[in-house]
Amino acid sequence: GQQVMQIPQYQHVQEGEDFTTYCNSSTTLSNIQWYKQRPGGHPVFLIQLVKSGEVKKQKRLTFQFGEAKKNSSLHITATQTTDVGTYFCAGSSSNTGKLIFGQGTTLQVKP
Amino acid sequence: DTAVSQTPKYLVTQMGNDKSIKCEQNLGHDTMYWYKQDSKKFLKIMFSYNNKELIINETVPNRFSPKSPDKAHLNLHINSLELGDSAVYFCASSQDYRADTQYFGPGTRLTVL
Repeated sequence: GQQVMQIPQYQHVQEGEDFTTYCNSSTTLSNIQWYKQRPGGHPVFLIQLVKSGEVKKQKRLTFQFGEAKKNSSLHITATQTTDVGTYFCAGSSSNTGKLIFGQGTTLQVKP
Repeated sequence: DTAVSQTPKYLVTQMGNDKSIKCEQNLGHDTMYWYKQDSKKFLKIMFSYNNKELIINETVPNRFSPKSPDKAHLNLHINSLELGDSAVYFCASSQDYRADTQYFGPGTRLTVL
């Protein structure tokens, strides 16, 4: 079945350092979504990418969708303590309409 | 005005008991979901309903039975609870079933003793 792999599982950075999490799918995706879950909270939608090679920015966050629509990345520039949490990618193949979540990357930021 | 709400927030119970979790969304969405998040934060879809009709039914023990009385509500009943059922259960909703943006509830932390 369709699998979505996400690395790394954990990342500890010093405040001000950059952070990147990577997402790879075993199948071509129709779209990819990113969610953030704060400690003790619930996943909150960040963004959706649909087009091959698409790049979107939200302030210090940059999201990319690969040319083959099988991988994606989230890059945070100059991390802040408010960036702490678990970041999930979630992909869908056009024939299922079902979102498959990656395992998540938990980011810790040391002040 | 909570968009997706769940009750209870915490549930502690003994093995073998039967319990229910309720979910309601006031977003006017057609599709609702149940997810299980284990201790390693892995989010796995369990069920999905679109306009009260079951459309996704993953490999979940039949002790778990979802019920959707209307498209704004999706409840989860669990029979004969086991230790391995301990997890956080999230309800979510989306505009429609086509893997649209999902809005998650606050979660129900179930602990089976």
